[in-house]
Amino acid sequence: DQQVKQNSPSLSVQEGRISILNCDYTNSMFDYFLWYKKYPAEGPTFLISISSIKDKNEDGRFTVFLNKSAKHLSLHIVPSQPGDSAVYFCAASGPPDRHLFNKFYFGSGTKLNVKP
Amino acid sequence: DSGVTQTPKHLITATGQRVTLRCSPRSGDLSVYWYQQSLDQGLQFLIQYYNGEERAKGNILERFSAQQFPDLHSELNLSSLELGDSALYFCASSVGGTVWDNEQFFGPGTRLTVL
Repeated sequence: DQQVKQNSPSLSVQEGRISILNCDYTNSMFDYFLWYKKYPAEGPTFLISISSIKDKNEDGRFTVFLNKSAKHLSLHIVPSQPGDSAVYFCAASGPPDRHLFNKFYFGSGTKLNVKP
Repeated sequence: DSGVTQTPKHLITATGQRVTLRCSPRSGDLSVYWYQQSLDQGLQFLIQYYNGEERAKGNILERFSAQQFPDLHSELNLSSLELGDSALYFCASSVGGTVWDNEQFFGPGTRLTVL
């Protein structure tokens, strides 16, 4: 059962425009969400995160929005650059066990292509 | 460079065989995670170790096992290999593994091909 879903396997955007990547989750107990970026032949790298107590977190060109009622999060990249072309994974963390350790659930990824 | 190393980079083997994948976490990280990424699939969490102990289990097959050694490096053992086990296997590490320190740093992966 996939608890974190990225329904768009790919997205193509023109350089300078906004890229919006979406992610849905099913478990309302998830309390921490992360986005990872992956280039070919490399491991994923952490991009940005958001706690469930917030609805927005911004880091430079990257902003993550969380809509808890809809169990939906999105990553906005403005402006998009060709170097942003990569696969983006969203991940959710929780619920914690009694030691507060978390399992992590990843989506299937969205391949972003930013055209020059 | 994330500081997480994985060996080997590539592994080609036959069905029915057994292989061992190795991971060295970043210096100071106590948690090690293993993930499988099959073609067109997302990252499937397999298992997590923290300071030598198994902490969380995901979709890990019974044919697979892992361990974390006293020096904190980890090994993922895959046995009775099937064609469907062909995938990219990632190791990640984090300082802890709790809600407050769970940013994971990924290694470059080991590509396993089962023929």
